[in-house]
Amino acid sequence: QVQLQESGPGLVKPSETLSLTCTVSGGSISSYYWSWIRQPPGKGLEWIGFIYYSGSTNYNPSLKSRVTISRDTSKNQFSLRLSSVTAADAAVYYCARLYYYAKIDSYGMDVWGQGTTVTVSS
Amino acid sequence: EIVLTQSPGTLSLSPGERATLSCRASQSVSSSYLAWYQQRPGQAPRLLIYGASSRATGIPDRFSGSGSGTDFTLTISRLEPEDFAVYYCQQYGSSPETFGQGTKVEIK
Repeated sequence: QVQLQESGPGLVKPSETLSLTCTVSGGSISSYYWSWIRQPPGKGLEWIGFIYYSGSTNYNPSLKSRVTISRDTSKNQFSLRLSSVTAADAAVYYCARLYYYAKIDSYGMDVWGQGTTVTVSS
Repeated sequence: EIVLTQSPGTLSLSPGERATLSCRASQSVSSSYLAWYQQRPGQAPRLLIYGASSRATGIPDRFSGSGSGTDFTLTISRLEPEDFAVYYCQQYGSSPETFGQGTKVEIK
């Protein structure tokens, strides 16, 4: 059973870089798409981006200039870096597996981490 | 960017009742690329439906999805206590992937 676990600092100063890691257990990141999603307090979900097992990435244009998603296959981890953070970046950050349902050419984020809360404050 | 608008914002129902949630897209979305998620308080979202109408693994058959083009529906045939939560639709057909703002199903 695949499980995901986010880790990283819970507090980031304004203008600094937020760095989070998602560790995948029970399966390999050398398949599928691996996504980051965030949820500001009391608000809805926002897709940040994903990395494909090949290393290719796709980012939300609203964050593209500040986001980097990378992977470390030797550690079975993928990571998020978000630069120049402001209070608007405070949120629960989730990592998730984007699964491809080949029979019907469809997708769904079928496995999620529990989420990690990031606060932006000096 | 495709905007997904969910309605109603809040649905107040009793256990055993039927819930009908709507997700309307600002432009046509392939039904293959529309999913529904459930989020209980303090928990991560859970995939319910992919491809507009296919239930994810382990999802009870009281959950069903339908729709095409710009109008999609999630139906919960008989609400169980654990179904009171927030529900989100999401589209993958056009980048960026976008979510609706959510519908809260609360106990009446």
